[in-house]
Amino acid sequence: EAQVTQNPRYLITVTGKKLTVTCSQNMNHEYMSWYRQDPGLGLRQIYYSMNVEVTDKGDVPEGYKVSRKEKRNFPLILESPSPNQTSLYFCASSQRQGPYEQYFGPGTRLTVT
Amino acid sequence: LAKTTQPISMDSYEGQEVNITCSHNNIATNDYITWYQQFPSQGPRFIIQGYKTKVTNEVASLFIPADRKSSTLSLPRVSLSDTAVYYCLVGDYGGYNKLIFGAGTRLAVHP
Repeated sequence: EAQVTQNPRYLITVTGKKLTVTCSQNMNHEYMSWYRQDPGLGLRQIYYSMNVEVTDKGDVPEGYKVSRKEKRNFPLILESPSPNQTSLYFCASSQRQGPYEQYFGPGTRLTVT
Repeated sequence: LAKTTQPISMDSYEGQEVNITCSHNNIATNDYITWYQQFPSQGPRFIIQGYKTKVTNEVASLFIPADRKSSTLSLPRVSLSDTAVYYCLVGDYGGYNKLIFGAGTRLAVHP
């Protein structure tokens, strides 16, 4: 089954404790991205990757890091989480860059206290 | 990047046809129009995409006038399960790096 998986689905952590949210897709997609969704603000792109070792900032990259060492994986790293990063996070992938159909993961609800 | 404008919310009743219009006055020649649906606490799901005229699939129809400055997503005979947020996006296939999701249209279908 074609899918995008994210782990963990729910996470409560404390300020400053480094964390990683994993994202994996099994569709051999070139393009992957991370979004955060907050009430009233819609979906905002954090980072995206056009292929292995090629990443770039989206609209709200501050406080986040990503890496793309393998085509299927695109982890999101919060080196020092802060409460303003409490949000619902989605990973997505598509065949390549452009308005190709994006497949979204189930989401990760992060709470930073 | 072409900006899109949609109504913030809409209400409808089961069995009715719903039309959601998106304005994209600055759409470029190579831009396509794509619609996504999102249920609460789930990731968006692709519904339909088009370039001009009309596109229809098993879920919806997309109407695009000749000037392409707007588009209308049509949902036939909605049910309660169509209650969701609908996003209109505009972008091209030639080196477009990111897609911008606006605030979307919150559709509420009532019994």
